[in-house]
Amino acid sequence: EVQLVESGGGLVQPGGSLRLSCAASGFAFSNYWMSWVRQAPGKGLEWVANIKQDGGETAYVESVKGRFTISRDNAKKSLYLQMSTLRAEDTALYYCARDKEVGPSLLDFWGQGTPVTVSS
Amino acid sequence: DIQMTQSPSSLSASVGDRVTITCRASQSINNYLNWYQQKPGKAPNLLIYGASSLQSGVPSRFSGSGSGTYFTLTINSLQPEDFATYYCQKSDRTPLTFGGGTKVEIK
Repeated sequence: EVQLVESGGGLVQPGGSLRLSCAASGFAFSNYWMSWVRQAPGKGLEWVANIKQDGGETAYVESVKGRFTISRDNAKKSLYLQMSTLRAEDTALYYCARDKEVGPSLLDFWGQGTPVTVSS
Repeated sequence: DIQMTQSPSSLSASVGDRVTITCRASQSINNYLNWYQQKPGKAPNLLIYGASSLQSGVPSRFSGSGSGTYFTLTINSLQPEDFATYYCQKSDRTPLTFGGGTKVEIK
């Protein structure tokens, strides 16, 4: 059974940093791109970042470029999102999602999310 | 960047109704379009990929169509468990932008 379990969320002050983790199981993690998607309270979905199987290619939504870094450890079957210079507008539930092996993106398995609140 | 616009933002329907949700891209994305369903307090669930391919395990009352800039998600014979919010997402290249969502409510 495919499982994705996020952790690391919490309350952080504006300008602070946080590192999210996503532990994967039940599939060949190293074969898949992976994505982070967030959802602000009461709002829609926003794709945040993705990373290629070997970590050699990453992409970000414009609003987090230069502040967030996506990474992975295939040996540990884990995905990460290092977030810095956090802003109030980064407050959201952060989901990790399994993306494609090849071809167009498709997010076919999701975790339950970890909440991030940026507030003083 | 390509923008994704869904309409309507919400709709009311009855069990058994046929419902159609529209998603428009600001530029052509060929058939690189996915649809997701999200129920309150739950993670999204992939329904349709490649504009019209049904994800494994998804009931056949869900269907997708379209290409270029105009896409639709149709739910035939709406069931109680289908009341949820639906999102389209472009899947060609990053950023993998989502539409704003369509909330399907009980009439």
